Amino acid sequence: AQKVTQAQTEISVVEKEDVTLDCVYETRDTTYYLFWYKQPPSGELVFLIRRNSFDEQNEISGRYSWNFQKSTSSFNFTITASQVVDSAVYFCALHSGAGSYQLTFGKGTKLSVIP
Amino acid sequence: DGGITQSPKYLFRKEGQNVTLSCEQNLNHDAMYWYRQDPGQGLRLIYYSQIVNDFQKGDIAEGYSVSREKKESFPLTVTSAQKNPTAFYLCASREGAGEGYGYTFGSGTRLTVV
Repeated sequence: AQKVTQAQTEISVVEKEDVTLDCVYETRDTTYYLFWYKQPPSGELVFLIRRNSFDEQNEISGRYSWNFQKSTSSFNFTITASQVVDSAVYFCALHSGAGSYQLTFGKGTKLSVIP
Repeated sequence: DGGITQSPKYLFRKEGQNVTLSCEQNLNHDAMYWYRQDPGQGLRLIYYSQIVNDFQKGDIAEGYSVSREKKESFPLTVTSAQKNPTAFYLCASREGAGEGYGYTFGSGTRLTVV
């Protein structure tokens, strides 16, 4: 069975602070994919990143960075110099198993960036 | 631009009524999904469809029904059997059924029972 845990339900930071959103996953498959999505107040989930299990390189995209560690089954997301526009709910998701047709989502972390 | 269109954005239902939520995509994606989102619950899968004229129940299918007569369309009906339908409903599609394909989401429909 697959499972994704986002232990932080809500986080508040002051603008320009750095913040890390945690994601821990469980799967027995050796091949799997991890995703992060952003859900702003408008409601639509926006794709941020996809990482496969064979690529453990960390990725940076502007103020966003992702740290994938198979040893701890974690795929954490860091926002550097947070901005008010970063306020949203962030979901981590897992897709594993060749016969699986759905993603397994964590329950999300609500990030509030205070001006 | 390709994408997923959900309508209406807001929907109000009286007790005992069936309502249908629309989901249309022009991405030529094979698979489509319906999720329900409640505060603090994350996303829960209602139904999904991999191909036309075929669909499977998700984790919380009771009180819901779907159809997939066209590749582009995957409407969700919330029936009177759904006792607590007030929620935010998201439709999604995937380009393929294999590993690694992420979802494209619509902007959602917020359903309220009045």
